[in-house]
Amino acid sequence: DAMVIQNPRYQVTQFGKPVTLSCSQTLNHNVMYWYQQKSSQAPKLLFHYYDKDFNNEADTPDNFQSRRPNTSFCFLDIRSPGLGDAAMYLCATSRDPGAQETQYFGPGTRLLVL
Amino acid sequence: AQSVAQPEDQVNVAEGNPLTVKCTYSVSGNPYLFWYVQYPNRGLQFLLKYITGDNLVKGSYGFEAEFNKSQTSFHLKKPSALVSDSALYFCAVRSYNTNAGKSTFGDGTTLTVKP
Repeated sequence: DAMVIQNPRYQVTQFGKPVTLSCSQTLNHNVMYWYQQKSSQAPKLLFHYYDKDFNNEADTPDNFQSRRPNTSFCFLDIRSPGLGDAAMYLCATSRDPGAQETQYFGPGTRLLVL
Repeated sequence: AQSVAQPEDQVNVAEGNPLTVKCTYSVSGNPYLFWYVQYPNRGLQFLLKYITGDNLVKGSYGFEAEFNKSQTSFHLKKPSALVSDSALYFCAVRSYNTNAGKSTFGDGTTLTVKP
């Protein structure tokens, strides 16, 4: 089945220690998104890639970076995690960036910062 | 600017009864409206969307939603609730003017269906 895969499902890191979360997709979608979700709140868009074009949200901290080496994979790098970065991180894809396009979400990675 | 309101943090219904989860929106231009469901420690799962056409949209797992332009609402409904429907539900909106990828989500409604 075509899907969005996130690894690992749970990640524990130490305060200030860089961490990378990964996302892969078999949908061959052009757009990949990263969301942060805290405590069952509304997901907050961090950034997205349309093909190789990176689009950062204005309020996304510099501490958060992303890489998309190819169509299938996208990574979220947190350079120096703080306690406030503990959250669920959701990867999503859509075929195109149009407003009518459905976003398909992965299962998420729950990040714990000690 | 666009916004979504889910006025109820929590909805409780008995199994077999109809359920409604409310959503109202504000957007410039024509809205594109989405409902997602999230089970504990899982990602969001797409249920249905309204783009254009028939105001009654049917989606997965027996859910449907009615687009009401005059009331700027897009309430999620199901005729007969199941215990397995218990989850967190998010409404989201975009418009033609939305920057690519920018969905605005409501704060979510926790649905609890009791046996």
